[in-house]
Amino acid sequence: QQQVKQSPQSLIVQKGGISIINCAYENTAFDYFPWYQQFPGKGPALLIAIRPDVSEKKEGRFTISFNKSAKQFSLHIMDSQPGDSATYFCAASYSGANNLFFGTGTRLTVIP
Amino acid sequence: DADVTQTPRNRITKTGKRIMLECSQTKGHDRMYWYRQDPGLGLRLIYYSFDVKDINKGEISDGYSVSRQAQAKFSLSLESAIPNQTALYFCATSGAGIETQYFGPGTRLLVL
Repeated sequence: QQQVKQSPQSLIVQKGGISIINCAYENTAFDYFPWYQQFPGKGPALLIAIRPDVSEKKEGRFTISFNKSAKQFSLHIMDSQPGDSATYFCAASYSGANNLFFGTGTRLTVIP
Repeated sequence: DADVTQTPRNRITKTGKRIMLECSQTKGHDRMYWYRQDPGLGLRLIYYSFDVKDINKGEISDGYSVSRQAQAKFSLSLESAIPNQTALYFCATSGAGIETQYFGPGTRLLVL
């Protein structure tokens, strides 16, 4: 049973465009929502994370939007660049949990 | 990635063979994890360990075993490999909390 549902599975965006990846969850105990970025041949690395006490968090061109009532959160990449081409995983966890629950991943390709 | 190393990086084996994947970390973290990554399925937790004497099964532990030889070393074994264990395997570590996980570069395993 997938605790975090992620879409789309793949995404192609033109350079300079906005990339949007969506995730949804059911477990209302979740209180930590990170995004991991994985380049080919590398392990995933933490990109940005949010807690439900805020609706948005921005770090450079990357923004997480969080909708607690809808139990959804999304990653927005502004001014997408070819160097952003990677696989992105959303995840969720809660206080006292033993692990992160990962989404299925989105393969982003940014075309020059 | 250099703080978490995995050996081998690539491995081809035959059905029924026993193989071991090794993970070492220099981050001084107590918590270590083994995940497998499959296309369309994301990252799934196999085993995790919160200290040398603590080993726990994850979501998909059947067919796998682990050994925590020291704080810095966590090995994953496939006792009798089967083709559906063909996947990309990642080791990860985290500090006192599980929130930020640091992944190794991965081991690509092919079972023929």
